[in-house]
Order: sequence, then structure tokens, then C-alpha cells
Amino acid sequence: SYELTQPPSVSVSPGQTANVTCSGHKLGDKFACWYQQKPGQSPVLVIYQDNKRPSGIPERFSGSNSGNTATLTISGTQAMDEADYYCQVWDSSNVVFGGGTKLTVL
Amino acid sequence: QITLKESGPTLVKPTQTLTLTCTFSGLSLNTTGVGVGWIRQPPGKALEWLALIYWDDDERYSPSLKTRLTITKDTSKSQVVLKMTNMDPVDTATYYCAHSPSHCTNGVCLIYYYGMDVWGQGTTVTVSS
Repeated sequence: SYELTQPPSVSVSPGQTANVTCSGHKLGDKFACWYQQKPGQSPVLVIYQDNKRPSGIPERFSGSNSGNTATLTISGTQAMDEADYYCQVWDSSNVVFGGGTKLTVL
Repeated sequence: QITLKESGPTLVKPTQTLTLTCTFSGLSLNTTGVGVGWIRQPPGKALEWLALIYWDDDERYSPSLKTRLTITKDTSKSQVVLKMTNMDPVDTATYYCAHSPSHCTNGVCLIYYYGMDVWGQGTTVTVSS
């Protein structure tokens, strides 16, 4: 079965750029999505189709996907961005989630 | 505005069958392209996809749980029901339902075009004797 690998944790200073990666075999051939989940809350879609933002998601969230790696980039990271982030793709019509990355804003 | 809400038992015993209901508004499973899925999250762990059902009755299941899952829809009640058999303590988790739209043009629908754009609040299920 298809697997997505994320680093367990990423740290960033306020105002800096955070990059959260997601790796999988030929991941660039698939559309990647990203979800933000804050403690005690439901996940929120922040990126779909590799780099598109749903309505209401701040412009500081962006995405890219090429080769074997998809990346969620948060520019000018704010304290409110501290959360768990999950990547997700479809593989043979099945949904696959990554293991999640805890973003800490120090 | 799309909303979804999960309901079901908070406690089930091992070997029992879990039945969860997702009641939604602002969307219809009679509409081309609409899908509703179930995802769970054990305490402190990652999201795990369980199942999806689409407007055209297409059903998709997690390969690792396929033998235990059944997803159905009741369009008249705006509900999707998930059944999971032979529950075990490792199935203790928060269970979410989510809207999963497809992109349809010229009679062709692509399920991977969008993400799961609206999620319910989740319902916590504990499996214990």
C-alpha cells in the first residue's frame, strides 16, 4: 500500500518561513492536500491540488509538489499556526494520510 | 453552508459492531460529484481514512479495514452510516465524517481533484469491556 512520510516535528521562529515536507513514491504524479489540526479541533483543509488555497485560508499558506516530495510552506509564521499538519493523497481511489507533523512556533 | 455532524455510541464492548451516523446539511448525495467519507484518529495519533461513498453509490474502503467496514447512504435523511464489526480496544478513536467533492466535467468525475473540505466535529468512541 502507498505510504506518505512526514517529519514528526518542525520548529520555526515567529515571522520566519516554515516548511513541512511529505514524501512518497512518485508523489509528484498525484495531487497533494494539506490539513491543519489544532488541539481538540477537527482538521481544516489548507491546501488542495498541490498549491491551491480554499476560501478563507491566509495567503501565507502555500504548497508545492514535485518528484517524491510535497511541501507545505508557511511564510511569516504566526503563533496561531502552531498545529499538527497532515498531507493526504489519493492512491488508486483510496485516501492516504501522512503521519502528521507537529509545527512548533518558538 | 455545508455542515456535518457525527453521532453514535461513546462506548462499545469488544467484538460488538459499531454504528456511526453522519448527518449533513448544505449538500445532497443525489448531486453529481458529492462524496462523504469517514476518518478516525486514535488518541495522540495520526488521521486514518476508513471509507468513502459517492453520489453514484460508489463505495471505497481502506484496504486494511475493508473486511470490517460497510458504508451506506440515506439521501432522504441526508445521512451516511458507517458500520464497523468486531470492535477492539485499538479501535478507540475520534471518528470524523467529511465532505469529499469530485470535479466533474463532460460526464467525467475526478475524485482526487479536491480535498476533504468540510469536516464534522468528531465523535469519540471507546472500546472497553
